[in-house]
Amino acid sequence: GDSVTQMEGPVTLSEEAFLTINCTYTATGYPSLFWYVQYPGEGLQLLLKATKADDKGSNKGFEATYRKETTSFHLEKGSVQVSDSAVYFCALIDPLSGSARQLTFGSGTQLTVLP
Amino acid sequence: SQTIHQWPATLVQPVGSPLSLECTVEGTSNPNLYWYRQAAGRGLQLLFYSVGIGQISSEVPQNLSASRPQDRQFILSSKKLLLSDSGFYLCAWCPPTGVNSPLHFGNGTRLTVT
Repeated sequence: GDSVTQMEGPVTLSEEAFLTINCTYTATGYPSLFWYVQYPGEGLQLLLKATKADDKGSNKGFEATYRKETTSFHLEKGSVQVSDSAVYFCALIDPLSGSARQLTFGSGTQLTVLP
Repeated sequence: SQTIHQWPATLVQPVGSPLSLECTVEGTSNPNLYWYRQAAGRGLQLLFYSVGIGQISSEVPQNLSASRPQDRQFILSSKKLLLSDSGFYLCAWCPPTGVNSPLHFGNGTRLTVT
């Protein structure tokens, strides 16, 4: 079945540091890929997405590129801020899942940014 | 625009008591609806999904049930809560068509079973 493997956390960085959170996937079909962010005590917010190979999703300074050859969708940000502290989830939707369109999530990576 | 509402935001219930969590979506028709649970310090587990009124699919055997009495209403229930039911419950929706559409989540319900 489909699966998403995320970089183990927690990750602690100083403000203005470079961030990478690794994400790799396995899927039967040709999935769409997503990054969600969860701030403390809140639900999940869609951060960015990519729907085909070499697509780059970007939002709020975060970027991720859909790499079919390495089945990866790593999240990056050039300069993190304290307000970026949250849990980040990589996820996919496999079009072969039919009308149900279920999201498969990674285990999440806790990011803490220190001032 | 579409919005999703979940309530209550927090809930403390004794073991053996019933549960009802409600989720409604506005601004769309015939959405796919989902219930996820997030245990403390862990990832997200899909509990139920629905592609239409009265159509419920369960992903894991458990002490919970779901119902969809109206097009944009999704309810998570239990007759008798267990300690292991504690967690953060998230409702989500997506359009019925468009294979690349992401899921949109509510703000969640923090359930503590004591």
